[in-house]
Amino acid sequence: GENVEQHPSTLSVQEGDSAVIKCTYSDSASNYFPWYKQELGKGPQLIIDIRSNVGEKKDQRIAVTLNKTAKHFSLHITETQPEDSAVYFCAVGDSNYQLIWGAGTKLIIKP
Amino acid sequence: EAGVTQFPSHSVIEKGQTVTLRCDPISGHDNLYWYRRVMGKEIKFLLHFVKESKQDESGMPNNRFLAERTGGTYSTLKVQPAELEDSGVYFCASSQDLAPLYNEQFFGPGTRLTVL
Repeated sequence: GENVEQHPSTLSVQEGDSAVIKCTYSDSASNYFPWYKQELGKGPQLIIDIRSNVGEKKDQRIAVTLNKTAKHFSLHITETQPEDSAVYFCAVGDSNYQLIWGAGTKLIIKP
Repeated sequence: EAGVTQFPSHSVIEKGQTVTLRCDPISGHDNLYWYRRVMGKEIKFLLHFVKESKQDESGMPNNRFLAERTGGTYSTLKVQPAELEDSGVYFCASSQDLAPLYNEQFFGPGTRLTVL
């Protein structure tokens, strides 16, 4: 079955700098790659997703890149702000039509 | 529009007891999912309802877990009897009926279950 690894587990960046979180997956048949943000006391919320026919997608300060050959995808957040502090999860839509999740990255934005 | 709601927000029970978690999805969402996150680990799929039917329950850990979705509206997840390893945060999510696989899933705030 699909296996998803997410790194780093914790990321601390200075406000205004960029943050990058990476995920790798194992099943080459997987074709959907969402990123979720979980703020304290809330459930995960979809912030951006990408499908296997696209290599990059942007939405304001966030972007996701996908490398299907290498089986990895990344979340990029530019010009980080205090409200970006949260736990970020990557997930993969596998060939069994389930979402397989990474273990999460705690992003800390230092003032 | 109200989001996905879950009750209770926290539950502390002793090993061997029974606990029932409830999820109210967004109105009109046919798809309802249950997930669990054990401390610091990945979120794991438990099962998926389409209306009142179980579409996929391959993630249910064992027969101590029973999920129902009466009339295709709210859902309950019962753990009986609870074991220590059942501790974690249980999330419910819902999505619209079209292309359920890759539609955005809207999550509730979760129920934190602690089994002592």
